[in-house]
Amino acid sequence: GAGVSQSPRYKVTKRGQDVTLRCDPISSHATLYWYQQALGQGPEFLTYFNYEAQPDKSGLPSDRFSAERPEGSISTLTIQRTEQRDSAMYRCASSPGLANDEQYFGPGTRLTVT
Amino acid sequence: SQQGEEDPQALSIQEGENATMNCSYKTSINNLQWYRQNSGRGLVHLILIRSNEREKHSGRLRVTLDTSKKSSSLLITASRAADTASYFCVTTSGTYKYIFGTGTRLKVLA
Repeated sequence: GAGVSQSPRYKVTKRGQDVTLRCDPISSHATLYWYQQALGQGPEFLTYFNYEAQPDKSGLPSDRFSAERPEGSISTLTIQRTEQRDSAMYRCASSPGLANDEQYFGPGTRLTVT
Repeated sequence: SQQGEEDPQALSIQEGENATMNCSYKTSINNLQWYRQNSGRGLVHLILIRSNEREKHSGRLRVTLDTSKKSSSLLITASRAADTASYFCVTTSGTYKYIFGTGTRLKVLA
């Protein structure tokens, strides 16, 4: 596609519910990243994919968080049993994949857990 | 945790003035990038400087890198109201992991 897209743009959920966020990267990009951004802070790395492989998920805050990219294109981030502290902007980015290139960010999903 | 720290945290200048923001980081890096985030909008890549480079220019942007001091600076010349945004330095070090700094909030007054 023309750019990185994310859906939904906004999600309000009740504590304890599961949520799944979606990222559609630039089609030619090998690497895909997920970040969590709290208000007034910089994005914090959660995990990344190189095609369908997930070499690093060290930033996932707990085992309630998981991500997939089964066919090496679209990715989902799932948060199980959401808690209020999970409220944040979740950003996806993609990159051609070599030599730590520039990243192209999607608009983000604003998650609010009530 | 965030590797880079930007300084100052906030900066307010008049349109037409230059804005300088600094970034310090902790570990050795492959490259350093600067990104801009406008209020309510996404993150946009501005410029990338590799660890073997000392200075780079792109339009009104000038970036310097001092690996011995583990620091970088971003200069925006002839600032415009549209430059109002948060600016983040981002480092990569041997992996595909990108580490964002804490950000500088720049306000350009018309």
